[in-house]
Amino acid sequence: EAGVAQSPRYKIIEKRQSVAFWCNPISGHATLYWYQQILGQGPKLLIQFQNNGVVDDSQLPKDRFSAERLKGVDSTLKIQPAKLEDSAVYLCASSLVGQMNTEAFFGQGTRLTVV
Amino acid sequence: AQKVTQAQTEISVVEKEDVTLDCVYETRDTTYYLFWYKQPPSGELVFLIRRNSFDEQNEISGRYSWNFQKSTSSFNFTITASQVVDSAVYFCALSEEGSGNTGKLIFGQGTTLQVKP
Repeated sequence: EAGVAQSPRYKIIEKRQSVAFWCNPISGHATLYWYQQILGQGPKLLIQFQNNGVVDDSQLPKDRFSAERLKGVDSTLKIQPAKLEDSAVYLCASSLVGQMNTEAFFGQGTRLTVV
Repeated sequence: AQKVTQAQTEISVVEKEDVTLDCVYETRDTTYYLFWYKQPPSGELVFLIRRNSFDEQNEISGRYSWNFQKSTSSFNFTITASQVVDSAVYFCALSEEGSGNTGKLIFGQGTTLQVKP
């Protein structure tokens, strides 16, 4: 079974530029999560989708971050304009359903460096 | 307020030593789940175990064991006879009913385990 796919693996941009990350979840998984992991910290949820609807985006900095999940499968996360503090690993995860007893499967992440 | 605390930032042991990773959590919910994930250098988080709040039985899986104590709000992870391949960052996480039962994970800061040969 294929895992969660993310691209690119690494990205370096200058501040105020824009960037986009892509995620392809495990086939059949209705729930998709984007987490931000700053160096030395645990991942923090940015946004959660159930199919193509947003379940939780309370911690998404909406003035610069946006995300979409067209057709309830792939998802993109965009940052525009980027700030230095956005340097982090962006992890995508998926699960069959979005419930507290459900195991989430994670991708390898995209490491973003903003200079 | 930090809901999941992993007080040990880094631990270094020599191969074959036993090591315990501590996790203390905070929640007002009576129904919740606790998780441990392993993050190897490749970056993805690998699921290790899930435990619900009503099941305080300790669990053993090979060299891994978990001790869940509601009285102290702790969910500690022990690796017996550690191996170099155990070197990774380990995260404890909480999923609460009060967060909407959405599967949202609240992670601790992680503990970096280095096992030296």
